[in-house]
Amino acid sequence: KNEVEQSPQNLTAQEGEFITINCSYSVGISALHWLQQHPGGGIVSLFMLSSGKKKHGRLIATINIQEKHSSLHITASHPRDSAVYICAVRSGEGPLPSGGGADGLTFGKGTHLIIQP
Amino acid sequence: GAVVSQHPSRVICKSGTSVKIECRSLDFQATTMFWYRQFPKQSLMLMATSNEGSKATYEQGVEKDKFLINHASLTLSTLTVTSAHPEDSSFYICSASFAAGAYNEQFFGPGTRLTVL
Repeated sequence: KNEVEQSPQNLTAQEGEFITINCSYSVGISALHWLQQHPGGGIVSLFMLSSGKKKHGRLIATINIQEKHSSLHITASHPRDSAVYICAVRSGEGPLPSGGGADGLTFGKGTHLIIQP
Repeated sequence: GAVVSQHPSRVICKSGTSVKIECRSLDFQATTMFWYRQFPKQSLMLMATSNEGSKATYEQGVEKDKFLINHASLTLSTLTVTSAHPEDSSFYICSASFAAGAYNEQFFGPGTRLTVL
């Protein structure tokens, strides 16, 4: 079973700071997700990646498959970025067998981010 | 983007009653839906995976007779918590994925907070 570790568990920063959240996993994966969960509980998928780097607005996600590590960066952080950021992985390699039966994700415990004005 | 809804968003029930939670994909056909549970301060845990028209696959430790999952159509999956007890109080989240045969992003519902008195 894949073990997903996130760091830090809690992070408080000032508005405008550059934020980095790290995720490491123990077994090879086919995809890694970065998710954002707001206080109400709803989850938004930020990125899904299997290699390299993706950017969306002020968010950047990178993954190093060899090192089994991913990072989520937030540039010019803002109080509205305050949320729990969750790393989740789909274990295994290659596409799914035909006919569906997709595997569920294994989640990290999340990083609770607070951006103070 | 793909939208997944859940209903109800919040439910309070008495111990011993059954509660049904609906998960709908609003603008795409979901070949696979996942049900997750999240206890306070904990990460999400996969409960079961359901494919349209077939029986759900439950994770180890999840009682299939207690958590009934029905995926009768490509846009609707339901989770019924039967004979609910206070320890079933949790945040239940579904996600949906499409296109069997390849791994696709999962789209998450907003969650249902269940409180069993």
